[in-house]
Parts: sequence; structure tokens; C-alpha cells
Amino acid sequence: QVQLQQSGAELAKPGSSVKISCKASGYTFTSYYISWIKQTTGQGLEYIGYINTGSGGTNYNEKFKGKATLTVDKSSSTAFMQLSSLTPDDSAVYYCARRATPDYWGQGVMVTVSS
Amino acid sequence: DIQMTQSPSFLSASVGERVTLSCKASQNINKYLDWYQQKLGEAPKLLIYNTNNLHTGIPSRFSGSGSGTDYTLTISSLQPEDVATYFCLQRNSWPNTFGAGTKLELK
Repeated sequence: QVQLQQSGAELAKPGSSVKISCKASGYTFTSYYISWIKQTTGQGLEYIGYINTGSGGTNYNEKFKGKATLTVDKSSSTAFMQLSSLTPDDSAVYYCARRATPDYWGQGVMVTVSS
Repeated sequence: DIQMTQSPSFLSASVGERVTLSCKASQNINKYLDWYQQKLGEAPKLLIYNTNNLHTGIPSRFSGSGSGTDYTLTISSLQPEDVATYFCLQRNSWPNTFGAGTKLELK
């Protein structure tokens, strides 16, 4: 069965970076894009972008350019999202999901930015 | 960006009742509209894609319809396990955008 297993919760200081992982199993990793989505109570669900897991090509929501960097490691069927220059506004649950029409989602990673 | 407006924000209904949730786009999205269900503490789950296609394993009491800017998710007979927040997502124009959600509870 399709599974996306994300890394654990992160507590980070303002100005720092975090890198979240998303390990895929149960399907051919390079056959489907991986999307990344942010969820907060205030802003709801926001689409960060997606990565072509075969070519590494990316498409970002303009709002998240310079904030998020998407990469993949095909050898381990793992996608990554690095969030940089963190501020309290980056505190959220971050999901990875398979496909640009997200059909299967990871369990989410809570990122808390606090001094 | 395309704005997605869901209504109502909150809905209380009885078991067995027919429930209709609405999603309105700020411009034509050509049926590139998906519906998700999110239960408390869980990740969203895809219910319907491209307006009216049921995702694998989703019960047939869920259905979708619509065109242009107006879309609907219908639950034909509400079950206790359907208590959740429902989101719509448009994929016609980048960036893809979600609605704010409809929270569905049992009366």
C-alpha cells in the first residue's frame, strides 16, 4: 500500500533552517510528483509546491520561493523540504503528498519556531 | 491566485441526512476541483478528484458535481464516521488553492 512517512516534529529558533523528510513506499517513487502543503489554523491549507521525482524539476508557489527548497533522493525514495530563515509565521504542520492532485498524504510534521 | 470560498463554514446534520457542501471559485476552474476529508488529528484524505470521480476506496455515498465556478460535494446518507472538516482544492491555475473548509458535525 502507498505510504508516505514523514520525519518527526521540529522545534527551531528564528533565523534557523529545518529539513523535513518524506519517505515513500508501496509504489514506484519516480512515477509520481511529490507535493508539499502547509497547514495552519489561521491560513488554512496552502500549496507550497511540487517536485518531479524523476527529473528533480520543481514548481513553487510564488509565496514560498526563497522559503522552501524541494529536493529528492531517488536512491532512498525520499523527498525533502528545507525551510530557511524561519520566523514564527512558519510554525505549522507540513505535509508531503503524492501527485499534484494529492492522493496519499504523509502524517504531517509540526514545525514550531520559537526563541 | 484563485480564491475558493466554501459554504457553510459549519454544518450540523443528523445521521441518515443528505448533506450538501459548496465550493465557489473566483473564476472558472474547468472542473479541476478535488474534495478532501480531514478528521481531527489526521492528514487530509482525497475523496473526489476532477469534480466527480470517486477516489479508490471511498464509499459511494460521497459524490461530486459542478462546473465553471460552482461545485458541490454531496453525502447521500450521513454516517457518524463522516464527522470531519471538508476542503476543496482547485488545480486549474497555479498556485493550486484550497478552500477554508466546512466543518461537519452530528446533530
